[in-house]
Amino acid sequence: DAGVTQSPTHLIKTRGQQVTLRCSPKSGHDTVSWYQQALGQGPQFIFQYYEEEERQRGNFPDRFSGHQFPNYSSELNVNALLLGDSALYLCASSVLSIQRNSPLHFGNGTRLTVT
Amino acid sequence: AQRVTQPEKLLSVFKGAPVELKCNYSYSGSPELFWYVQYSRQRLQLLLRHISRESIKGFTADLNKGETSFHLKKPFAQEEDSAMYYCALTITGNQFYFGTGTSLTVIP
Repeated sequence: DAGVTQSPTHLIKTRGQQVTLRCSPKSGHDTVSWYQQALGQGPQFIFQYYEEEERQRGNFPDRFSGHQFPNYSSELNVNALLLGDSALYLCASSVLSIQRNSPLHFGNGTRLTVT
Repeated sequence: AQRVTQPEKLLSVFKGAPVELKCNYSYSGSPELFWYVQYSRQRLQLLLRHISRESIKGFTADLNKGETSFHLKKPFAQEEDSAMYYCALTITGNQFYFGTGTSLTVIP
């Protein structure tokens, strides 16, 4: 089991451009969440996808959008990139459950640098 | 708003000494609490969750609702415990709130 896989590992973009990050969840997982981790900070919740729909969203602007595919994989899209979008983007998968203690399984992340 | 505070960014202890990583949270209800760990060049991974009430790699954490704390403890630190530790909270199981992390260094 490869666990959660993310691509690419690193990305350099110019301010104003658009970027797409990809994530494949751990086998057996049906829910994908995206987190942004700025340098020296903890991960911050962007949104969560389940059954191809955005289930919950954190405090991020509409420039951040996502998608989940029938095979449970997911994409994170960021439009009109700002310098402040430079961060490590983490994908986490889990199993949707009525229990709140279902843990997150993280990928290695995509390091986005905006110049 | 929910918040998780880890007051120590850096913590150094000698091998064999007890270690305690502090975590305080702000939420008036009953959250689910977790500790995640990131070893050098590895991904963020679950260390333990309070609902399990188990000891993982010698670490334990007790939820103190009165003090709204969930401190992580280990009686005898090992060199392999050197890592970045994050405390996390969730209310619905959808959105997790993470602290800023504590970097633990165990000195040989």
